[in-house]
Amino acid sequence: KAGVTQTPRYLIKTRGQQVTLSCSPISGHRSVSWYQQTPGQGLQFLFEYFSETQRNKGNFPGRFSGRQFSNSRSEMNVSTLELGDSALYLCASSLGDGGGTEAFFGQGTRLTVV
Amino acid sequence: AQSVTQPDIHITVSEGASLELRCNYSYGATPYLFWYVQSPGQGLQLLLKYFSGDTLVQGIKGFEAEFKRSQSSFNLRKPSVHWSDAAEYFCGSGGYQKVTFGTGTKLQVIP
Repeated sequence: KAGVTQTPRYLIKTRGQQVTLSCSPISGHRSVSWYQQTPGQGLQFLFEYFSETQRNKGNFPGRFSGRQFSNSRSEMNVSTLELGDSALYLCASSLGDGGGTEAFFGQGTRLTVV
Repeated sequence: AQSVTQPDIHITVSEGASLELRCNYSYGATPYLFWYVQSPGQGLQLLLKYFSGDTLVQGIKGFEAEFKRSQSSFNLRKPSVHWSDAAEYFCGSGGYQKVTFGTGTKLQVIP
């Protein structure tokens, strides 16, 4: 069974641009969570989508947004990129039907803002 | 708000030696607790989890962790470390869909 797939793996963008990252969950998983990982702030929760609805949200500015499609694939978008947005963005998928089902992480998208 | 503290940023152990990575959590009720491992350039892999019941939980790769409510701790242990265990380890609390992570502990294994 295929794992969580994140595309692209690496991305270089310029300040002020916007970027869209994609996450394809494991087949049958309906929950997708997004995290930002930086050396300074560590792993921080961005948001979680379940059945096309944002169910949980972290403490990030409105420039960070996401969505989920009917096939559970999810995208996150960052507008007006800042240098501080350079990070590894991880997504995790799970069945989402309660707290007891394991979340599986993708390998992440490494975003560099120059 | 939940918080997770990993007091050790970096730990070095000799191959074959025992290992204990510390984790303290702050949460009113009994939390869900996790340990994840991240190898360079990779995502996170779940080592073990605690939801309720037996406070000593066994995980993959020979790891175990003990939940101690009185100390608000969930320390990770391994009796004999292998060179392949070199990685970064994250303790986390919350539900699977929204995990609050500690800052991580980098484990270096020397021959």
